[in-house]
Amino acid sequence: DQQVKQNSPSLSVQEGRISILNCDYTNSMFDYFLWYKKYPAEGPTFLISISSIKDKNEDGRFTVFLNKSAKHLSLHIVPSQPGDSAVYFCAAPSNTGNQFYFGTGTSLTVIP
Amino acid sequence: DTAVSQTPKYLVTQMGNDKSIKCEQNLGHDTMYWYKQDSKKFLKIMFSYNNKELIINETVPNRFSPKSPDKAHLNLHINSLELGDSAVYFCASSHGLAGRNTGELFFGEGSRLTVL
Repeated sequence: DQQVKQNSPSLSVQEGRISILNCDYTNSMFDYFLWYKKYPAEGPTFLISISSIKDKNEDGRFTVFLNKSAKHLSLHIVPSQPGDSAVYFCAAPSNTGNQFYFGTGTSLTVIP
Repeated sequence: DTAVSQTPKYLVTQMGNDKSIKCEQNLGHDTMYWYKQDSKKFLKIMFSYNNKELIINETVPNRFSPKSPDKAHLNLHINSLELGDSAVYFCASSHGLAGRNTGELFFGEGSRLTVL
């Protein structure tokens, strides 16, 4: 039973344009969300997070938006660069404090 | 220095064998995890340990046995390997339990297990 879902397995974007990666969740008790980035043959690395008390968090070219009523968050990358090509995972820590739930990932390809 | 290191990175073995994957973190974290990424790329929790104590054991066959000799190590031993065990196994660590400390997870590079 997936509590965090990423419905787009892949996304292609032209260099310099905006990339928008989406994530939905089912548990309204989640209070913190994270995005991870994964290159081939490497482990996921933390990218950006957002607390449920906020609706936006920005870090350089990366911005995460949270819509609690829709149980939806999105990661915006602007401008997109070829080095951003990777798989992006959305995640949320469980309320019982024993694990993180991950989405299935979205593979982003930024075309030069 | 690698923060979370796992060995081996690649493992090819025959069905029925027993194998181990080792994980060490030098971040001073007190919580460690094993995640399995299957062919559908879904990252699913297998085990988590906090201060060497098992916190979560998802519906994983008992052929999988984690061992945490100290807070910096969490090894995964797999008995009687089956074809369906082929996957990438990721070790991770965090400061505090997920949810109680909204810190991030630090992952190892993954260990790709192929069972023939």
